[in-house]
Amino acid sequence: AQKITQTQPGMFVQEKEAVTLDCTYDTSDPSYGLFWYKQPSSGEMIFLIYQGSYDQQNATEGRYSLNFQKARKSANLVISASQLGDSAMYFCAIDRGSTLGRLYFGRGTQLTVWP
Amino acid sequence: EAGVTQFPSHSVIEKGQTVTLRCDPISGHDNLYWYRRVMGKEIKFLLHFVKESKQDESGMPNNRFLAERTGGTYSTLKVQPAELEDSGVYFCASSRYSGEAFFGQGTRLTVV
Repeated sequence: AQKITQTQPGMFVQEKEAVTLDCTYDTSDPSYGLFWYKQPSSGEMIFLIYQGSYDQQNATEGRYSLNFQKARKSANLVISASQLGDSAMYFCAIDRGSTLGRLYFGRGTQLTVWP
Repeated sequence: EAGVTQFPSHSVIEKGQTVTLRCDPISGHDNLYWYRRVMGKEIKFLLHFVKESKQDESGMPNNRFLAERTGGTYSTLKVQPAELEDSGVYFCASSRYSGEAFFGQGTRLTVV
């Protein structure tokens, strides 16, 4: 069964606008962690943001915030004030707690920021 | 602090040949993970080391893949003999605890 679903293969946003990348997950573990990674064309995987299942507040890291809705099992990434350098593939991933750090990834969303 | 480094960054080999990928984790990180992304598909887990021990190797596709982490430092992933379907990007990641994992830049393997 798929653990992470990213329904948007591609997204487009104009520079300086905000964009939301969707992610839903499936787990029965009471404790888990949700991650977002960015993969630019150069290929490296860059950690962006983390949300723990017991965290009461939504995680934020600079222009990145995670809209965590536990009951709906969604962990959408919000990028505010998009920049051209944000164009990349974005992956949502879950660490199910019971699997000792092993990450399950979605298929990714290709974000393109246009001027 | 140096990040996770992987060698080589690219490798093109013929079907039937052997290739060895190397990963140097961040110093002090006991957890080391290998992942693979086949073109157009999601990134999939291969295996997890804790120090030099294999904690979970349930993602290894078949016995043509052999991973080692002698001494609990760097790790190698050998594919022997390589097949066309082994082509993809192989990522290594390391973490101190089971939490935020830092990834290397990946090795793009092409089997022709």
